[in-house]
Amino acid sequence: EVQLVESGGGLVQPGGSLRLSCTGSGFTLSDHYIDWVRQAPGKGLEWVARIRDKTNGYTTEYAASVKGRFAISRDDSKNSLYLQMNSLKTEDAAVYYCTRNLYRPGDYWGQGVLVTVSS
Amino acid sequence: DIQMTQSPSSVSASVGDRVTITCRASQAIINNWVAWYQQNPGKAPKLLISITSNLQSGVPSRFSGSGSGTDFTLTISSLQPEDFATYYCVQANSFPITFGQGTRLEIK
Repeated sequence: EVQLVESGGGLVQPGGSLRLSCTGSGFTLSDHYIDWVRQAPGKGLEWVARIRDKTNGYTTEYAASVKGRFAISRDDSKNSLYLQMNSLKTEDAAVYYCTRNLYRPGDYWGQGVLVTVSS
Repeated sequence: DIQMTQSPSSVSASVGDRVTITCRASQAIINNWVAWYQQNPGKAPKLLISITSNLQSGVPSRFSGSGSGTDFTLTISSLQPEDFATYYCVQANSFPITFGQGTRLEIK
């Protein structure tokens, strides 16, 4: 069974850092594009970042709102990838989802992890 | 960036009604990479339709998608109680990937 599990969320002060993890099971993470999508409380969905698969060189894309502050990396030995979030702002507070095959057949989402940015 | 303007932002309807939700893109989606998601409170979104009109496995046939260019629609032909949720369109024609602001479908 395909599963994605996010972890690493929590409360952080503005300007602080947090690293989210996304661990896959039932499939090989490196064979797929993985996106991060976030949802602020009571708000809509916002795409955050993508890392492409091994075949496509693990290249990345970022939303303008996070470019230069967030970075995706991966550890294929652990079937995991990470979203390093630096210089966090209050507007970054959201539930963060990692997704496989976003908008395509075989689309899977994790359960989401809550990030709270507050002093 | 391609803006996806979704309408209506909310709609009240009854079981058995036909409902249409529209997404208008700020520029033409040339590869038809528009998808539709359903989200229930506290849950991750669920993919209903990919590439404008491809119904995902396990999704009831009362859901359908259509459109081209800048105008795309999601239609639910006969509402069932489990369909009352929030719906989002998303475009993947170009980066950044952008979602519509959502349509909340409520029971009348």
